[in-house]
Amino acid sequence: EVQLLESGGGLVQPGGSLRLSCAGSGFTFSDHYMDWVRQAPRKGLEWVGRIRKQANGYSTEYAASVKGRFSVSRDDSKNSLYLQMSILKTEDTAVYYCVRVTSGGSHWHLDLWGRGTLVTVSS
Amino acid sequence: DIQMTQSPSTLSASVGDGATITCRASQSISTSLAWYQQKPGKAPKVLIYKASSLESGVPSRFSGSGSGTEFTLTISSLQPDDFASYYCQQYSDYPVTFGQGTRLEIK
Repeated sequence: EVQLLESGGGLVQPGGSLRLSCAGSGFTFSDHYMDWVRQAPRKGLEWVGRIRKQANGYSTEYAASVKGRFSVSRDDSKNSLYLQMSILKTEDTAVYYCVRVTSGGSHWHLDLWGRGTLVTVSS
Repeated sequence: DIQMTQSPSTLSASVGDGATITCRASQSISTSLAWYQQKPGKAPKVLIYKASSLESGVPSRFSGSGSGTEFTLTISSLQPDDFASYYCQQYSDYPVTFGQGTRLEIK
């Protein structure tokens, strides 16, 4: 079955750190860029960051709200994506989705989403 | 950053009605736009990409149009399963940005 499965969410204090993981299966993980997208409670979708594939040097992009605090990485040998979060703030509280990017030329879309993992930042 | 503005925020309609959601970009994004549907407690699902290309498996009652700064998502005849939230997303430039969402509710 083609799927993404996130893990690692939980309760963390402000200023703390947390690492999310995402395991992909049923497709060639290494062929795809991968994203993290989050959704705060009762709010809309917010793109967090992206990691490109090996052919693109595993380069990354980030939203301004997390740049310098969050880091996206991947291990293609394990079909896994990671989000290292540090200096967490209460406004980082959200469901975090691992998302596959499928591209065609200059166009792409987020075509496979995990179920999400909840991160709660609170004292 | 490119701002995406959806309207309306909430749309009330009945089964069988047509529905149109508009998304405006703060600058031209050509056709670098996707639409997503999200149901409560579930992950989003892509409906449309490249402004008007229908994702495989998505019913043909969904269609997208537009280019530049104005885009629309049209549902031709609403089915019970269509009542959900909808988001547009631009991918013309980083950071990728979403609209604030449109909640489609049953009248």
